[in-house]
Amino acid sequence: SQQGEEDPQALSIQEGENATMNCSYKTSINNLQWYRQNSGRGLVHLILIRSNEREKHSGRLRVTLDTSKKSSSLLITASRAADTASYFCARRGSGNTGKLIFGQGTTLQVKP
Amino acid sequence: NAGVTQTPKFRVLKTGQSMTLLCAQDMNHEYMYWYRQDPGMGLRLIHYSVGEGTTAKGEVPDGYNVSRLKKQNFLLGLESAAPSQTSVYFCASSGGYGSSTDTQYFGPGTRLTVL
Repeated sequence: SQQGEEDPQALSIQEGENATMNCSYKTSINNLQWYRQNSGRGLVHLILIRSNEREKHSGRLRVTLDTSKKSSSLLITASRAADTASYFCARRGSGNTGKLIFGQGTTLQVKP
Repeated sequence: NAGVTQTPKFRVLKTGQSMTLLCAQDMNHEYMYWYRQDPGMGLRLIHYSVGEGTTAKGEVPDGYNVSRLKKQNFLLGLESAAPSQTSVYFCASSGGYGSSTDTQYFGPGTRLTVL
């Protein structure tokens, strides 16, 4: 399978704690993206990090990229119950088609 | 600006029946995609299109056909539904090739059950 690996598969934390999700991949990338999916909804784009970037922030989100280890992490700080969702990393597939290859996702539960 | 819409939202079919799922986007995007999402499998690409009048196979195309007669619409057809096609189907669109336009915008999904 071309899909990346994400861990943990599931994560449960208390509101206010930080949540870290990891994504590993096997081939070289131009960029890597993170998406969120609330239960019963479509995916929503969170952040894109390019291969020449090591860290990127967006509000309470921090994404890091280590191309030497072929891995990325998504950190959500000061989590809220509304952050409860599944989180997916995605990298571009081969060719100029815009295809994305998604990881299997991390399911995050934030308890109030 | 509705973004990406999908119809229907839910559908139940009997084995052997046919149906068409409609995806529409109002962002003037060149590229469109159909995915299926199954528990523990993440999203898998069924078919995609890089422009009006073009279609191509993705990772799991068997049992599905697609058409892109208009830039804003991407149709997914099941000619003879099978229980293995029970899934949630997502349509997505993106601007086109290039790092700045790699972001995909997703519809709300269609939950299909084949009995």
